[in-house]
Amino acid sequence: EADIYQTPRYLVIGTGKKITLECSQTMGHDKMYWYQQDPGMELHLIHYSYGVNSTEKGDLSSESTVSRIRTEHFPLTLESARPSHTSQYLCASSEYAGFIQFFGPGTRLTVL
Amino acid sequence: AQSVAQPEDQVNVAEGNPLTVKCTYSVSGNPYLFWYVQYPNRGLQFLLKYITGDNLVKGSYGFEAEFNKSQTSFHLKKPSALVSDSALYFCAVSPSHTGGFKTIFGAGTRLFVKA
Repeated sequence: EADIYQTPRYLVIGTGKKITLECSQTMGHDKMYWYQQDPGMELHLIHYSYGVNSTEKGDLSSESTVSRIRTEHFPLTLESARPSHTSQYLCASSEYAGFIQFFGPGTRLTVL
Repeated sequence: AQSVAQPEDQVNVAEGNPLTVKCTYSVSGNPYLFWYVQYPNRGLQFLLKYITGDNLVKGSYGFEAEFNKSQTSFHLKKPSALVSDSALYFCAVSPSHTGGFKTIFGAGTRLFVKA
């Protein structure tokens, strides 16, 4: 079944740790996105990709990095996590010519 | 600055009553308009969109939305609410020339439907 997956769903880590949030989609979509969502707040775009080997920073400044080596995979990495990174991270994808985004279930990150 | 406003943090309705969740926007040009719904511990799900044409668009689960260009609004509606409609609803606006990468989301409105 075509879908978009995120792992882990929940993560609690200590300050200074390196973490990677995984995102995979089986819909064959070219475009992928990472959003940060705080409770009661709008989604903020932190990274996006047009396709393989394409990555761009979004509107919200983020200390994270992303890579797009395969169409279906768009991982997000934090080299040194801090409490200010505590948030929910949502991954999404869409067709190249499409505007409708399909979202994963999210990763709720807590940095102590 | 471009923005999307959802003026109500929460909307409470009784089951069987009509519901409206409001959205206004400030985006130049003729943007594309969307509603998404988020259930607990789930990602956002697409409900409906307006690109062009009829101002009343129909979407999933019996929801519809009315586009009003003069008021730059795109209110979500449903004639008869269900308890299962209780969720967080996001309005989103995408400038038509940005390929979807500059979609602006509202802060969300929590809908609570009481049995």
